[in-house]
Amino acid sequence: NAGVTQTPKFQVLKTGQSMTLQCAQDMNHNSMYWYRQDPGMGLRLIYYSASEGTTDKGEVPNGYNVSRLNKREFSLRLESAAPSQTSVYFCASTRGVDSPLHFGNGTRLTVT
Amino acid sequence: KNEVEQSPQNLTAQEGEFITINCSYSVGISALHWLQQHPGGGIVSLFMLSSGKKKHGRLIATINIQEKHSSLHITASHPRDSAVYICAVHTGKLIFGQGTTLQVKP
Repeated sequence: NAGVTQTPKFQVLKTGQSMTLQCAQDMNHNSMYWYRQDPGMGLRLIYYSASEGTTDKGEVPNGYNVSRLNKREFSLRLESAAPSQTSVYFCASTRGVDSPLHFGNGTRLTVT
Repeated sequence: KNEVEQSPQNLTAQEGEFITINCSYSVGISALHWLQQHPGGGIVSLFMLSSGKKKHGRLIATINIQEKHSSLHITASHPRDSAVYICAVHTGKLIFGQGTTLQVKP
């Protein structure tokens, strides 16, 4: 049982480049989330998907897009990377409000 | 003011001490989570609470819905408990506290 799988683990981009962070869960969870974690800022919600076919903006959505491809997969896209997007990105999932959270291992992204 | 506030932000304890980390929130919630993150590591769920109290080994979590407050207690603390402890509330989406950095010295 893999849980929540994020790829890649590390990435270095130049300003203006694009990339997609992948997240997949094999627990048949309804809700999936993307967060970024910066020193001194805690975890901040970028986008979330409460169920397959729906996505909503979180606290810091600017510069990002998401796709809930199916129930398993929730991807995060940076169309034109900026140094301010240097961060550690975490994907999380849960079956619902009465269930534990499961996190991926994170993607460390550096934009130069 | 943040919707989820944790205290203290940093905590240093000696091995064996009883530790309490607090979380206060200002929004209506359906559940509260306590999470643990070791340095450079992933994030692990410790507890999910909607009422009352839960215990797992040396960890105890309590929640008072009326007072909008939760506490995480660690009994007989150990250096391996050194980590960041994060409170998160579920309001339809998840809102996180800033985290409490705990260092337990031998």
